[in-house]
This record gives sequence, structure tokens and C-alpha cells, in this order.
Amino acid sequence: DIQMTQSPSSLSASVGDRVTITCRASQGIMNYLAWYQQKPGKVPKLLIYGATTLQSGVPSRFSGGGSGTDFTLTISSLQPEDVATYYCQKYISAPPTFGQGTKLEIK
Amino acid sequence: EVQLVESGGGLVQPGRSLRLSCAASGFTFDDYAMHWVRQPPGEGLEWVSTISWNSATIAYADSVRGRFTISRDNAKNSLYLQMNNLRAEDTALYYCAKGRPLLYDALDVWGHGTAVTVSS
Repeated sequence: DIQMTQSPSSLSASVGDRVTITCRASQGIMNYLAWYQQKPGKVPKLLIYGATTLQSGVPSRFSGGGSGTDFTLTISSLQPEDVATYYCQKYISAPPTFGQGTKLEIK
Repeated sequence: EVQLVESGGGLVQPGRSLRLSCAASGFTFDDYAMHWVRQPPGEGLEWVSTISWNSATIAYADSVRGRFTISRDNAKNSLYLQMNNLRAEDTALYYCAKGRPLLYDALDVWGHGTAVTVSS
């Protein structure tokens, strides 16, 4: 099975900072990669699919990059409401594995 | 409004069974594959199972294969998860989720989850 590894596991940044989270697949997955945001006590929310396509309604400060095995989620200017855990997920085939999550906090 | 509402969770003893349901509304249910994803307390997301729009293709995580059965009733716009021989490690919040158009695709609609606790 293809494993998904996120880094870092947690990070703390200041409002206005540019933040990047990385997700690495153990094998190539083309662009079959999604990013989700889960705020504390809330339901996961789809942010990005196809590695780079922003889901409708998601603020443009979020962007996705990469293809193959290495992917990024970038927040161009961190806002207080972005405090959450972020997960990547590969969906090229079963099992559609999630990364272990990256917990993002505000300094 | 597109909506998924799970039900059927609860406290159950190890080795017993439970059946989860997910009622869908606001979209053409039989156009999409559906999925179960779980989240143990304080932990990350774990994919559990997927069923194609016509039930022809079904997949399970290794951790539940042989114990859990996914099914759907398109006439009732409903998804189910029959969970047998439950273990303590099955304790989690179980989410029903709708995929985008592919069999395996990003999950664009999630229910609020139903909690399952396996304990004696």
C-alpha cells in the first residue's frame, strides 16, 4: 500500500506568515491528492483536490502544489481562523490513505 | 442543501455488533460512490470502506475486512455499515462521506459523524 507522510506534525506561526505543509507519497500518485482542514471539534472540510484545484468557497490564500510523490499545501497569509489540523489524502486507488495530520497553531 | 446524517452509534461490548446508517439528501445519491471514514478520539482520520454507486465495487481497510460490511440502498438514499465482532480499537467517530465523481476521489461532503464506543 502507498503510505502518506506529512511534515511537520505540528507547527506554530504568526498571523500573516506564509505557511507550507508537505505531504510525501511512498509511490507516485500523479495528482490524485486532496487536502482537508479539520478545525477543533468540527467535521473535516475539503480544501483542495487534484493536488492544485481549490474547492469552491475556499479562500484563495490556500493553494496546493506538487505532483508524483511530493506535494505542498500553502497558506499565503495565515489568519486566526486557520487554526486546525490539516490532512492530505491520496485517492488514486484503494486504500485512499490519509496522512497523519499537521496541527497548525498561532504563535 | 447537500446533507449527510449518520445514526446508529453507541456503546457496545467487545464482540458484539452495530449497524450504522447514513441518510443522504440534496444530491443525486446514486450518481456517487460513498465512503466511511473514522477518527479515534484524539487521533487522525482513517479510511474504512468505499462502495461504488451501483454497489459493484466495494473496498475495505485491512483493519476491518471480514468484520465490517458496507452497503447502500439507492431507493432510500441511504448508506450503511454493518460492524460485527467489534473490538476496542474500533472506538471512533464514524463519518459518512460523499466522493467527487470518481470511485476513489476527494471527499467533498461529510456528515457530522456518529460515535461508536466498544467497551465492556
